[in-house]
Amino acid sequence: KAGVTQTPRYLIKTRGQQVTLSCSPISGHRSVSWYQQTPGQGLQFLFEYFSETQRNKGNFPGRFSGRQFSNSRSEMNVSTLELGDSALYLCASSLAGTGLTEAFFGQGTRLTVV
Amino acid sequence: AQSVSQHNHHVILSEAASLELGCNYSYGGTVNLFWYVQYPGQHLQLLLKYFSGDPLVKGIKGFEAEFIKSKFSFNLRKPSVQWSDTAEYFCAVNAKTNAGKSTFGDGTTLTVKP
Repeated sequence: KAGVTQTPRYLIKTRGQQVTLSCSPISGHRSVSWYQQTPGQGLQFLFEYFSETQRNKGNFPGRFSGRQFSNSRSEMNVSTLELGDSALYLCASSLAGTGLTEAFFGQGTRLTVV
Repeated sequence: AQSVSQHNHHVILSEAASLELGCNYSYGGTVNLFWYVQYPGQHLQLLLKYFSGDPLVKGIKGFEAEFIKSKFSFNLRKPSVQWSDTAEYFCAVNAKTNAGKSTFGDGTTLTVKP
């Protein structure tokens, strides 16, 4: 069974640009969560989507947004990039995201903002 | 709000030494608890999880963790570490009523000297 797939693996963008990251969850998983991982801040929760609806949101500015499609694939968008947005962005999928559940993580997208 | 505290940022051990990594969480409700591991260059993988029942849970590669509800703790243990256990370890918690949002600790980097 294929794991969580994130594309692209690496991105270099300049300040002010916008970027879109993609995540394909494990087949049958309906919940997709996004995290930002940085050396100083660890893993910070961005948001979670379930059945095309944002169900949870972390404490990130509105420049960070996402969406989920009917096939459960999810995209994350960051507009007006800042240097501090450089990080590893991780996507995790789970069956239902409630009750007894565990998350399976992708390899991440390494975003560098210059 | 949930929070997770991992007491050790960096642990250095020799092979065959015993390991205990501390994890405390803060949340008023019922929780699911996890330990994830991130080997160098690899994605986050689940080591073990606690949902309910026996508070002593066993995971992969000889790891175990004990949930002590009265102390809000979920410490990770291994009786004898190997060089291949060198990795970063993350404790995570989510609420049973909202398991789509996990909160992670800052991580503990374990270096095992051969």
